[in-house]
Amino acid sequence: DVKVTQSSRYLVKRTGEKVFLECVQDMDHENMFWYRQDPGLGLRLIYFSYDVKMKEKGDIPEGYSVSREKKERFSLILESASTNQTSMYLCASSYTTYPYEQYFGPGTRLTVT
Amino acid sequence: GDSVTQMEGPVTLSEEAFLTINCTYTATGYPSLFWYVQYPGEGLQLLLKATKADDKGSNKGFEATYRKETTSFHLEKGSVQVSDSAVYFCALSGGATNKLIFGTGTLLAVQP
Repeated sequence: DVKVTQSSRYLVKRTGEKVFLECVQDMDHENMFWYRQDPGLGLRLIYFSYDVKMKEKGDIPEGYSVSREKKERFSLILESASTNQTSMYLCASSYTTYPYEQYFGPGTRLTVT
Repeated sequence: GDSVTQMEGPVTLSEEAFLTINCTYTATGYPSLFWYVQYPGEGLQLLLKATKADDKGSNKGFEATYRKETTSFHLEKGSVQVSDSAVYFCALSGGATNKLIFGTGTLLAVQP
């Protein structure tokens, strides 16, 4: 079974703090993704990576950066957390071959106060 | 561009009722289609998929058929249980980007 793990299920941070969200997958997937999920807005893609050290912006990259130094690990970084980044963050991974189905981690619920 | 439209929720049903959640899509080429389920406080889980026209995906009593002529992939279950209460997402993949396009999700609440 594919396993995608995220470093924390719940996180509370203060405004202005630097926040790291970690994601690890064990299926040797090339692609990894970070989404945020908010009520009424569905899933929105923040960044994705199709290879080590490669990254591409998704639909809402502002205020975020990412790092992928190893194939199995993809980190999302909030350089200076703000209250409007309070959200559920979901990591996913997939192969680069069709049909591109993605496997998700359990999510991190981040609260910025 | 590619898009997915699914019915607005919430959908409220009594236990053992028949479920349909509508999903239609717009895409160039021949996308794969997926249904994901998200239980409260959890991430998304792949429920079923179909990769070509007339394919039927099925899992845990849920079914969906890839209908190219109507560009639809409706989710059905013959008899829902309280444990099926969750948010259901329709999604498609295709093209060169390896990304999935998700619908907005449909909340299903099943009452005993």
